[in-house]
Amino acid sequence: GESVGLHLPTLSVQEGDNSIINCAYSNSASDYFIWYKQESGKGPQFIIDIRSNMDKRQGQRVTVLLNKTVKHLSLQIAATQPGDSAVYFCAEASYTGNQFYFGTGTSLTVIP
Amino acid sequence: NAGVMQNPRHLVRRRGQEARLRCSPMKGHSHVYWYRQLPEEGLKFMVYLQKENIIDESGMPKERFSAEFPKEGPSILRIQQVVRGDSAAYFCASSQNRQGSNQPQHFGDGTRLSIL
Repeated sequence: GESVGLHLPTLSVQEGDNSIINCAYSNSASDYFIWYKQESGKGPQFIIDIRSNMDKRQGQRVTVLLNKTVKHLSLQIAATQPGDSAVYFCAEASYTGNQFYFGTGTSLTVIP
Repeated sequence: NAGVMQNPRHLVRRRGQEARLRCSPMKGHSHVYWYRQLPEEGLKFMVYLQKENIIDESGMPKERFSAEFPKEGPSILRIQQVVRGDSAAYFCASSQNRQGSNQPQHFGDGTRLSIL
């Protein structure tokens, strides 16, 4: 079956430092991956996505890396700010599927 | 520029009552997904609907739970005869095309259901 897991349940970083959040997945058929940010009391907010034909994609202050060989996904946040404090989820989907599979999440705390 | 709208934001029910959760997708989106989230856990898929059709309900309990997305109006997730274990946050998401077209789902802020 499919499973998506995160290596670190919590992460604390100093303001201004870079953050790296990791995610492992097990479904070889997954070909689309998304990182979501969820703040307390709110729904998941789209951050960045990547398709399986890519290994890196950059957005504003965020970079997603995909290593299909070891089924690993990471989210890098540059110059982390207090507003980045939230729970971050990776999610995977396949072309033939109807749903996203979400990991448990990593709680990021930014220390001022 | 309204996103996915869910109501109510908070819902309190006593055991045995019915809970109705509503979701209006983003404008132009005809695909709706319902997820359930327990505290400190990820989201678990429940059901995927298009207008007037249930496409995939593999994540939804066979009893007491039902979902619809009528031609007019919001999508409804209905839980009959609620039990304490139904307490959770229920999130709705929508997309413009079906999930397999590799598009992100956009989420509402959820309904937090509490069962007394």
